Amino acid sequence: DAGVIQSPRHEVTEMGQEVTLRCKPISGHDYLFWYRQTMMRGLELLIYFNNNVPIDDSGMPEDRFSAKMPNASFSTLKIQPSEPRDSAVYLCASSLSSLAGAETQYFGPGTRLLVL
Amino acid sequence: AQSVTQLDSHVSVSEGTPVLLRCNYSSSYSPSLFWYVQHPNKGLQLLLKYTSAATLVKGINGFEAEFKKSETSFHLTKPSAHMSDAAEYFCFMDTGRRALTFGSGTRLQVQP
Repeated sequence: DAGVIQSPRHEVTEMGQEVTLRCKPISGHDYLFWYRQTMMRGLELLIYFNNNVPIDDSGMPEDRFSAKMPNASFSTLKIQPSEPRDSAVYLCASSLSSLAGAETQYFGPGTRLLVL
Repeated sequence: AQSVTQLDSHVSVSEGTPVLLRCNYSSSYSPSLFWYVQHPNKGLQLLLKYTSAATLVKGINGFEAEFKKSETSFHLTKPSAHMSDAAEYFCFMDTGRRALTFGSGTRLQVQP
């Protein structure tokens, strides 16, 4: 398996523009997670999905952020309009559900976003 | 309340000396605990995990961690550091139903 795939790997945009980040989870995984990582705030869980349904979006910073998972193999994180403080690395991860307990999350390489 | 505390934001060791990265947790439930490593410009990679089986867990690259319920700790150790171990390390906790909590990270420097 190719692992979790994220695109683009790097994105530079201007303030006010719409940004769309994409994630393809590992085939067969039913959980998908979006994280944001910055030097100032560290790692933050933004939202996660189970079977394409958003379960917890309490980490989404504000209404400018939205995430969708239209099918089991694709998710998007959209920022509209973008602001310089959104500059960060956005990580996507996927995992399997398990009756035995927590399953390992597999992370993508991340999208490095710079908003000018 | 659930929480994970990584007690050191930076750790510096010499190559060939032992590594100790500390993680304490607080949970009302029996947690699953994970250590992940992140090399520069890369995603997070699982080192090891504890899910209520053996309390001493062995992971990749010679790392291991011991779950100590009495001390609410899950410290990561390695007997001998290698230059390639220089990275950032994160301790994760999952108390079920994907109640995820993680530490702020420990940056490990390895001096030649």
